[in-house]
Amino acid sequence: QKEVEQNSGPLSVPEGAIASLNCTYSDRGSQSFFWYRQYSGKSPELIMSIYSNGDKEDGRFTAQLNKASQYVSLLIRDSQPSDSATYLCAVILVMGGSNYKLTFGKGTLLTVNP
Amino acid sequence: GAGVSQTPSNKVTEKGKYVELRCDPISGHTALYWYRQSLGQGPEFLIYFQGTGAADDSGLPNDRFFAVRPEGSVSTLKIQRTERGDSAVYLCASSLEGKSTDTQYFGPGTRLTVL
Repeated sequence: QKEVEQNSGPLSVPEGAIASLNCTYSDRGSQSFFWYRQYSGKSPELIMSIYSNGDKEDGRFTAQLNKASQYVSLLIRDSQPSDSATYLCAVILVMGGSNYKLTFGKGTLLTVNP
Repeated sequence: GAGVSQTPSNKVTEKGKYVELRCDPISGHTALYWYRQSLGQGPEFLIYFQGTGAADDSGLPNDRFFAVRPEGSVSTLKIQRTERGDSAVYLCASSLEGKSTDTQYFGPGTRLTVL
């Protein structure tokens, strides 16, 4: 089983809608969770980090973490065409000493249609 | 302030050749990482430096790959006897101290093509 799994998409939503991106992880020792956005041909850019169960909001973005279900999601409200990109879920396993290594999913391609 | 920079942005080489990829991290960041991203995949960890030392090189695919960071700032990833399967985007990232809660800032990457 892959360590971090995401639906590769593409996920297509109309402008102004809510985009919901999901990620599951296999290792219960994972403690830090990140969402990166990657535009085509560009490098990943951090948009959200979350470390404890519950919701974390930053502008139009909300990250949700459920450690019991090993599930982390990203909601984008009022989606804009400029949000069209690949969204990468990444986790860090803190236990075992390797508390620096990001393990990424394959990413979900989001397209926001005007 | 300057972000992470990488040179060259593109490198085309022939199978069997030697290449060096350079990363200049954000000033003051002690932690430096190399990742490799193949088409349609997320980045995969290669090596982590804390200061001058390679704290974890478990992601290097084989002994053709080697990386250094002699003065604790700039790092060079070296690939010997390149193979077509080495073609990918090589990403460098840096973070302030290497803590699990530190943001890793990525450079623009070097696209390596092995013919």
